[in-house]
Amino acid sequence: GAGVSQSPRYKVAKRGQDVALRCDPISGHVSLFWYQQALGQGPEFLTYFQNEAQLDKSGLPSDRFFAERPEGSVSTLKIQRTQQEDSAVYLCASSPRAFGGGYNEQFFGPGTRLTVL
Amino acid sequence: DAKTTQPPSMDCAEGRAANLPCNHSTISGNEYVYWYRQIHSQGPQYIIHGLKNNETNEMASLIITEDRKSSTLILPHATLRDTAVYYCIVGGSNYKLTFGKGTLLTVNP
Repeated sequence: GAGVSQSPRYKVAKRGQDVALRCDPISGHVSLFWYQQALGQGPEFLTYFQNEAQLDKSGLPSDRFFAERPEGSVSTLKIQRTQQEDSAVYLCASSPRAFGGGYNEQFFGPGTRLTVL
Repeated sequence: DAKTTQPPSMDCAEGRAANLPCNHSTISGNEYVYWYRQIHSQGPQYIIHGLKNNETNEMASLIITEDRKSSTLILPHATLRDTAVYYCIVGGSNYKLTFGKGTLLTVNP
């Protein structure tokens, strides 16, 4: 079946531009996550949605980062006034479960590689 | 969530078993051990998880020591396509996965 898809796969932005990254989770998955992965590092948590509710945005690096999931399916991560330090791979993951106990299996998309010049 | 320690890199010959160690000495009683891997230019892929008992699935086996302070992921017959970064993650019901730097496993022909 279809996995998590992300678009675009690659994005080049000039410093100061706004960008929007899209995530299509697996159909019916309740939970959705965004991670940021710098070169040579493991992914780092950005934010978590349960359906349309953003329950945790503690990992967003600054107020230039904004995420939404208005209908509880597709999600968009928006970065305003991009800076060079925003260059990274942005990964989206989804899970069929809402969290409150039990194990944590997340299904990841291929990521969007953002390069800010 | 408990922290983990993994070797930065390992090599394995194709067709042999790959044994990837992980130390998690501060693990607490309700925390699971997860293994994910990330093949170059792809997103992480779930492999297996366990709480106390050893686990096996179609991809790998997970051996957790009795005191739960360490574990080993076993790929029984490594192939070239198993070359990837392998992440050992410890966590409870928290939805966050805290990745470290993982172990780069290189499977050689």
